[in-house]
Amino acid sequence: GAGVSQSPSNKVTEKGKDVELRCDPISGHTALYWYRQSLGQGLEFLIYFQGNSAPDKSGLPSDRFSAERTGGSVSTLTIQRTQQEDSAVYLCASSLMTLQPGKNIQYFGAGTRLSVL
Amino acid sequence: AQSVAQPEDQVNVAEGNPLTVKCTYSVSGNPYLFWYVQYPNRGLQFLLKYITGDNLVKGSYGFEAEFNKSQTSFHLKKPSALVSDSALYFCAVRDKDSSYKLIFGSGTRLLVRP
Repeated sequence: GAGVSQSPSNKVTEKGKDVELRCDPISGHTALYWYRQSLGQGLEFLIYFQGNSAPDKSGLPSDRFSAERTGGSVSTLTIQRTQQEDSAVYLCASSLMTLQPGKNIQYFGAGTRLSVL
Repeated sequence: AQSVAQPEDQVNVAEGNPLTVKCTYSVSGNPYLFWYVQYPNRGLQFLLKYITGDNLVKGSYGFEAEFNKSQTSFHLKKPSALVSDSALYFCAVRDKDSSYKLIFGSGTRLLVRP
């Protein structure tokens, strides 16, 4: 696709429910990233995928958070038993995977705004 | 610890005037630095980067940034602000311990008044 696509754009859920957030990266981008943007905060790294594997999950805040990627393309971030503090904008980014830092630009989607009531 | 600081929560400037959005960083060695802009209900858009070379980097929409190693700064600038430049601006540095992770500042809201 032309850019990184995320769905849904907005999600309202009740505390304790599970949610799934979807990211469709730019075609040909093998690297995929999830970030969280909380109100008044900067962006917090969550997880990084290279292909279908996730060599860095260090930013996932708890075991209620998980993510997977299939076919080297679409990724799903799942939050189980949502809590109010999970309310945030979840941003996905993708990039080419190259050791050349000048070419490893992360391009972001518009995000999913999650509200946990 | 590696970090990025954006000391101003908000910058106000009149249309047509020059603008500066400040960013300082703390990272060992040579940094890889980035500026992104976020418009309301939109994702982050890449503006420009500094990897190596000239200290003055030119980017999208007429923006530029000056890398200053001695002051560990990477301030974003534009000679003449537009009302449409009003948005949230993020400075970021590449984590030296990874080839991919970005460390972001807290963001600066730019408000350009007509």
